[in-house]
Amino acid sequence: DAGVTQSPTHLIKTRGQQVTLRCSPKSGHDTVSWYQQALGQGPQFIFQYYEEEERQRGNFPDRFSGHQFPNYSSELNVNALLLGDSALYLCASSHLAASGKPNTGELFFGEGSRLTVL
Amino acid sequence: AQSVTQPDIHITVSEGASLELRCNYSYGATPYLFWYVQSPGQGLQLLLKYFSGDTLVQGIKGFEAEFKRSQSSFNLRKPSVHWSDAAEYFCAVGARSGNTGKLIFGQGTTLQVKP
Repeated sequence: DAGVTQSPTHLIKTRGQQVTLRCSPKSGHDTVSWYQQALGQGPQFIFQYYEEEERQRGNFPDRFSGHQFPNYSSELNVNALLLGDSALYLCASSHLAASGKPNTGELFFGEGSRLTVL
Repeated sequence: AQSVTQPDIHITVSEGASLELRCNYSYGATPYLFWYVQSPGQGLQLLLKYFSGDTLVQGIKGFEAEFKRSQSSFNLRKPSVHWSDAAEYFCAVGARSGNTGKLIFGQGTTLQVKP
């Protein structure tokens, strides 16, 4: 059973460029969340996608956008890169509980994409 | 405001010694509680979680954590640390209701294990 997979694992960009990161959720999961983890910090929630729509969003500017595809995989796009965008970007997947059933709230994380902006 | 505080940025223990990592949270209601571990250059692995019931929860790798509602704490413990436990540990909280893809993480505690 494949877990959460992310690509690329590492990439280097320059300021002002755009980047796309990709995530495939764990088998059976339908929800994808993205987190940014700066060096020495805990992960910070960027946004979550379910049924191909953004459902929740953290305190990140509009330069950060995403997409979810019918197969539940997801992309994170960051435009006009800044030096401060250098971080490990983590994808997490989960299964949204059906109506009336308790939501366990457990997330499964990928190993991340490390972005360096020069 | 919702937040998670891990007071200890860095902890060093000797191999075989006991370990306790502290976690305090501020949240509107009792949240779901988690501890994750992250090895260098890796993603996050779930150690244990608390949803309801027994306030002492057991996790993988011999870890346990105790939820104390009155103290808004969820401290992680291990009776005997192994060198392979050296890593970054994160406490996190999430909402009980609705879509719980959003977790709030603490800053993390780096654990160093001395031989």
